[in-house]
Amino acid sequence: EVQLVESGGGLIQPGGSLRLSCAASGITVITSYMAWVRQAPGKGLEWVSNIYNDGTTYYADSVKGRFTISRDNSKNMLYLQMNNLRAEDTAIYYCARIPWRKGPFDIWGRGTMVTVSS
Amino acid sequence: DIQMTQSPSSLSAFVGDRVTITCRASQDITYILGWYQQKPGEAPKRLIYGASILQSGVPPRFSGNGSGTEFTLTISGLQPEDFATYYCLQHTNYPWTFGQGTKVEIK
Repeated sequence: EVQLVESGGGLIQPGGSLRLSCAASGITVITSYMAWVRQAPGKGLEWVSNIYNDGTTYYADSVKGRFTISRDNSKNMLYLQMNNLRAEDTAIYYCARIPWRKGPFDIWGRGTMVTVSS
Repeated sequence: DIQMTQSPSSLSAFVGDRVTITCRASQDITYILGWYQQKPGEAPKRLIYGASILQSGVPPRFSGNGSGTEFTLTISGLQPEDFATYYCLQHTNYPWTFGQGTKVEIK
């Protein structure tokens, strides 16, 4: 069974940094396309970032230059390094799989909550 | 950026009703669109990809249609477990963009 489990969320002050993790089982992160999607409280879904199997990355303009998506192939983990956090980054962060040529986000984790507040 | 506009933003319907949600793209995205369902407190779940291809395991009362700039998600015979919020997503060009969501409530 394919499963994604996020961790690393919490309360952080504005300007701080946080690293989110996504543990994958049933799939191999290095050969998969993966993504982070977020949802602010009471709001809709927002695409954040993608990483492809060749290491190519893409970011939403709202996080470009502050967030970095990466993976650890030996641990089969996906990460999102978030720096210079702002109040508007407060959201549930989901990791999700992008299956090859079958449209994105067929598998989602349960999410991890990030709250940016002083 | 491609803007995705869903309508209506919310609707009320009875169990058994046929419900249609529309998603309009600000430019041609061919058929590169998916539909997602989200229930309160849960992660989203994919229903449709490629505008009209039903995700494995999703009941056939869900169907997707459209291409270019106008797309629909239809639920034929609304069931109690279908009351949720639905989102469309275009992934033709970066940044990928979701519609603002359509909340389907019980009448």
